[in-house]
Amino acid sequence: AQSVTQPDIHITVSEGASLELRCNYSYGATPYLFWYVQSPGQGLQLLLKYFSGDTLVQGIKGFEAEFKRSQSSFNLRKPSVHWSDAAEYFCAVGGGSGNTPLVFGKGTRLSVIA
Amino acid sequence: DSGVTQTPKHLITATGQRVTLRCSPRSGDLSVYWYQQSLDQGLQFLIQYYNGEERAKGNILERFSAQQFPDLHSELNLSSLELGDSALYFCASSPDGRAFGGYTFGSGTRLTVV
Repeated sequence: AQSVTQPDIHITVSEGASLELRCNYSYGATPYLFWYVQSPGQGLQLLLKYFSGDTLVQGIKGFEAEFKRSQSSFNLRKPSVHWSDAAEYFCAVGGGSGNTPLVFGKGTRLSVIA
Repeated sequence: DSGVTQTPKHLITATGQRVTLRCSPRSGDLSVYWYQQSLDQGLQFLIQYYNGEERAKGNILERFSAQQFPDLHSELNLSSLELGDSALYFCASSPDGRAFGGYTFGSGTRLTVV
């Protein structure tokens, strides 16, 4: 069965600084991977996804993520964080024919300070 | 607006009671997923329906049940409620029951059991 680990529960960065959120997955074959963002009181919004091809994936709001099979990782990055990026970020994994429901990590809460 | 509609947004009820959460998927999506989000467990998959049929079952308690109707809306029924059932319940949808494109989430129903 697939699983996801987000090692950082809470991260604080300064506005304008770069950001990297870590995600490690466990899956026996080629996974497909997602990052979602949840703002307070809101549902989850899809930031980006990977299931084949280029291992560097571009998403919305200036985010990108890189799939590294050798490290079983799919880290999320942003070169310059804005105050509006403060939210909870979730990594998710799926696999196989796509019929297995996505498994989510426990999330990383991002705080942005001036 | 994601296109997935969940009602009600908030629900406060007493232990032992029964509640029904409702979800209308995004137009054209045939599959509905229910997730429970709590602080200690993160996002846990409960159950999936595809075009009216149960497709997958996760960690759903026997006190909980769900169904998807011919118009594709879904209801999650929670009975004999306990304090520990207090959580945010999300509904998500996908076009074809597969996760390749990711899911579209609603804004959730916050259930408080007192």
